[in-house]
Amino acid sequence: GAVVSQHPSWVICKSGTSVKIECRSLDFQATTMFWYRQFPKQSLMLMATSNEGSKATYEQGVEKDKFLINHASLTLSTLTVTSAHPEDSSFYICSAKSESNTGELFFGEGSRLTVL
Amino acid sequence: DAKTTQPPSMDCAEGRAANLPCNHSTISGNEYVYWYRQIHSQGPQYIIHGLKNNETNEMASLIITEDRKSSTLILPHATLRDTAVYYCIATTRGGTALIFGKGTTLSVSS
Repeated sequence: GAVVSQHPSWVICKSGTSVKIECRSLDFQATTMFWYRQFPKQSLMLMATSNEGSKATYEQGVEKDKFLINHASLTLSTLTVTSAHPEDSSFYICSAKSESNTGELFFGEGSRLTVL
Repeated sequence: DAKTTQPPSMDCAEGRAANLPCNHSTISGNEYVYWYRQIHSQGPQYIIHGLKNNETNEMASLIITEDRKSSTLILPHATLRDTAVYYCIATTRGGTALIFGKGTTLSVSS
């Protein structure tokens, strides 16, 4: 199946700093990517939809100025957590939809963020 | 997306078949049933999907009732590596983001 890669897989940062997470579709072009967040023992929560060349669409309750999303190419979307705080510590997962596949989404391995 | 209902947890002995049920009584005619699983601390993994016919691939089989109000994911010979949270999602094919419920935590033991 198609491959989606995230980097870094884990990151520890100090409170107040910004962290960038990359999501790449390795063998297909993804016009749309999705970002999820998952807290311990909970399900995945959709944060935003990232469309190549346009502004991301954020779900209700997700601060767009805090979680900056850029989808500058058909194979790369980035999520930047700005001025991170301990409550932002979570597992962040991206997924991508290929225009040529049969409809399923492919997910990255996830990025675990710990804010001290 | 149609609402789906799954049991919170199930146990299965290694080597036996694991049958995971999912209710989707309000599914509409153009919605597919997708199954994903998430092994601890990893991203979700696609398993299988179907519309109304039963489907089989190298990972699992999907049995959809004739009225499409429920389905069963079958792992024919469960292994310890199949221990994961399994999510059943009803959505239009190629549509927007997947919305995850709480899923079923399958524990496979030896």
